[in-house]
Amino acid sequence: DAKTTQPPSMDCAEGRAANLPCNHSTISGNEYVYWYRQIHSQGPQYIIHGLKNNETNEMASLIITEDRKSSTLILPHATLRDTAVYYCIVRSLYSGGGADGLTFGKGTHLIIQP
Amino acid sequence: DGGITQSPKYLFRKEGQNVTLSCEQNLNHDAMYWYRQDPGQGLRLIYYSQIVNDFQKGDIAEGYSVSREKKESFPLTVTSAQKNPTAFYLCASSIDKEGAGELFFGEGSRLTVL
Repeated sequence: DAKTTQPPSMDCAEGRAANLPCNHSTISGNEYVYWYRQIHSQGPQYIIHGLKNNETNEMASLIITEDRKSSTLILPHATLRDTAVYYCIVRSLYSGGGADGLTFGKGTHLIIQP
Repeated sequence: DGGITQSPKYLFRKEGQNVTLSCEQNLNHDAMYWYRQDPGQGLRLIYYSQIVNDFQKGDIAEGYSVSREKKESFPLTVTSAQKNPTAFYLCASSIDKEGAGELFFGEGSRLTVL
């Protein structure tokens, strides 16, 4: 699976949009971009994933650049409860028979300021 | 409600003792995983299982053992051979045997070796 690069930490004011970047310059054509978040001392929670089109759900929006080498997770109206570590992961949908899970790096620690 | 249940949430153990962490899911998922997380770090894969009675080593399997006798259960034993067992342990499952799609995580078990 391709590697990802994320800033270690970011701040955002409550009520503003939080934009979390992720670089994945070695992504291949069949690899999806997944985002998870982990609130302190809890299990990670799935947020969203996409291949090349922008995606939106009730939690967030995912914007993938046309060359697919980077993406941005957008939390449209950040609240204090959105303070968490956000993981960007690149993963092939078909792993060739190996259900080896997802590789989680250190992620971005997003801190929402009141 | 459907989900993944890990127990115990906190566990203390003396050096040289084996300890077993429980993971149960009622999501009817085929694949299950165990991850380890150290402070300030990402998640590292210990073991995974695609189907009953089958499991594979992840990146850091040494000092750990698992079993998958039932679809719903994937217990992890931390043996005395694990040199640095103090960590946060996370169990996850996914509906797809190939590991595609989202992972659902439990709330974790925090093991401290005294």
